[in-house]
Amino acid sequence: AQSVTQPDIHITVSEGASLELRCNYSYGATPYLFWYVQSPGQGLQLLLKYFSGDTLVQGIKGFEAEFKRSQSSFNLRKPSVHWSDAAEYFCAVGAGNSGNTPLVFGKGTRLSVIA
Amino acid sequence: GAGVSQTPSNKVTEKGKYVELRCDPISGHTALYWYRQSLGQGPEFLIYFQGTGAADDSGLPNDRFFAVRPEGSVSTLKIQRTERGDSAVYLCASKPTGSGANVLTFGAGSRLTVL
Repeated sequence: AQSVTQPDIHITVSEGASLELRCNYSYGATPYLFWYVQSPGQGLQLLLKYFSGDTLVQGIKGFEAEFKRSQSSFNLRKPSVHWSDAAEYFCAVGAGNSGNTPLVFGKGTRLSVIA
Repeated sequence: GAGVSQTPSNKVTEKGKYVELRCDPISGHTALYWYRQSLGQGPEFLIYFQGTGAADDSGLPNDRFFAVRPEGSVSTLKIQRTERGDSAVYLCASKPTGSGANVLTFGAGSRLTVL
């Protein structure tokens, strides 16, 4: 069974600073990997996904993530954070051999942005 | 519709009461998922439907929880004899037909509070 660990519960960064949110997954085969963002009172919005191919994937809002199989990681990065990026971020893993297998989510990392 | 619609957005009920939560997926999406998100946690899988049938209900916590999708579109999550521990945001998501991977689109959720 898949599992996801997001080691950081809460991160605070200054506006304009770079950001990296960590995600480690456990899955015995090739995973599908996702990052979602959730603003207060909102549903989950897909930021980016990795299925195969290039291990560096680009997403919306200037985010990117890099799949590192050797480290079982899929860390999310952004070079310059904006105040509007303050939200909860969730990493998720799906079984790569089945399109319908439910995603398993991490517990999330709450991002605060200060001036 | 344009997105996944969930009603009600907020529901307050008393312990022991019966509750129904409705999900209207994106038109044409055959796969529909229910997740539960407790405070400070990531979404936890409950059940998913492929068409009218429940393909995987392994996440339902006990027999007080039940879900239906009689015509393969709208789904209703039903909770009997609610308990305070059922308080959470219940998220619904749907997936495009024929998609080879689980790119889920989420609704805004139904927040359930059991007093």
